[in-house]
Amino acid sequence: DARVTQTPRDKVTEMGQEVTMRCQPILGHNTVFWYRQTMMQGLELLAYFRNRAPLDDSGMPKDRFSAEMPDATLATLKIQPSEPRDSAVYFCASGLWGGGANTGELFFGEGSRLTVL
Amino acid sequence: AQKVTQAQTEISVVEKEDVTLDCVYETRDTTYYLFWYKQPPSGELVFLIRRNSFDEQNEISGRYSWNFQKSTSSFNFTITASQVVDSAVYFCALCSGGYQKVTFGTGTKLQVIP
Repeated sequence: DARVTQTPRDKVTEMGQEVTMRCQPILGHNTVFWYRQTMMQGLELLAYFRNRAPLDDSGMPKDRFSAEMPDATLATLKIQPSEPRDSAVYFCASGLWGGGANTGELFFGEGSRLTVL
Repeated sequence: AQKVTQAQTEISVVEKEDVTLDCVYETRDTTYYLFWYKQPPSGELVFLIRRNSFDEQNEISGRYSWNFQKSTSSFNFTITASQVVDSAVYFCALCSGGYQKVTFGTGTKLQVIP
């Protein structure tokens, strides 16, 4: 049963610390999205990749957030330094897109709940 | 620019009632895709349906049905004879643009009361 795997599931950290969240997309998927979910903002798009190339990270606070795909099996989202307002659930999602029947469909991980004190 | 609006923040219904969740979208593209996802209390988002912009046929899957109307830029979701297990947050999403960006609405929390 293929699924998107995210680590850590829960993270509590103090303001100013670096946080790295990891995502293993479903094997063979070529598209990866990072979203942040808060009560106030719903699901905000942070960044996304196609074939490991970043397509759009305009939703991400550039001064402290960075997203990368070192290889096809790993996507990372890093926050440095973290702030209390970064507390949220961060979701990674992947899909196999190529203009065919699956374009747009995303498979989500279980999310990483981040609490910054 | 693309945008998805789900004006209903929370809805409560009594079990077995029908309920419709509204979704209005904005895009300048002629080719786009619309989606509904369900987020149960466990937190994981689950895909429900995908619709492309050239297919306006309504779709029914068991107790679920979807009404896509390009004239009003709406893609509404109806649950017939609701059940407690339908309690969740439901998100409408739009995929459009050259880079096929996926934008979500803010979600509608549905509570089905026994």
